[in-house]
Amino acid sequence: DTGVSQNPRHKITKRGQNVTFRCDPISEHNRLYWYRQTLGQGPEFLTYFQNEAQLEKSRLLSDRFSAERPKGSFSTLEIQRTEQGDSAMYLCATTGGLEKLFFGSGTQLSVL
Amino acid sequence: DQQVKQNSPSLSVQEGRISILNCDYTNSMFDYFLWYKKYPAEGPTFLISISSIKDKNEDGRFTVFLNKSAKHLSLHIVPSQPGDSAVYFCAARIDGKIIFGKGTRLHILP
Repeated sequence: DTGVSQNPRHKITKRGQNVTFRCDPISEHNRLYWYRQTLGQGPEFLTYFQNEAQLEKSRLLSDRFSAERPKGSFSTLEIQRTEQGDSAMYLCATTGGLEKLFFGSGTQLSVL
Repeated sequence: DQQVKQNSPSLSVQEGRISILNCDYTNSMFDYFLWYKKYPAEGPTFLISISSIKDKNEDGRFTVFLNKSAKHLSLHIVPSQPGDSAVYFCAARIDGKIIFGKGTRLHILP
């Protein structure tokens, strides 16, 4: 257990529905990252926060994706109008400023 | 554009022997390189890292070598143990963002 908690662990949804995932970081970690991983691929960077500020968002990320980190604590990742291509493992990771990222166990999304 | 490349999808090594996992990168601005290990249904776990100003870092059975002129790094595991069977990801940091390779699946054979 790395101390980074992600909920839910699994999510099955129908195409066109909205979904929201939550990440609770290690409390003293000020940087929080979202990644997406599909089978046979490495984690793909989506976005990251320094406290509550969203510093970068991948240009590959559709406008249907939005992330927030109110008050620099937990973070949510929302996907609107889900598509089958959104099916993946969504990983949250945090760091206290060093290069070492601590990952949660991920949320596995299946879009039917 | 794959900036961090792991060209071997899988590797099989006899228990007790040395495992060598390789990684190539294209961006000379990366300032840190990291190796992560991943078991099924879990998030990646940090193994070892190396700053771009160094050429070797060692931690127990794990050693990472960096060759900046060749833009190449490798992870050596010696001796290899059954619990080392997992997917290994090479990663590199630039501007606070960490970019991962596609991974190499390591099988440790009894």
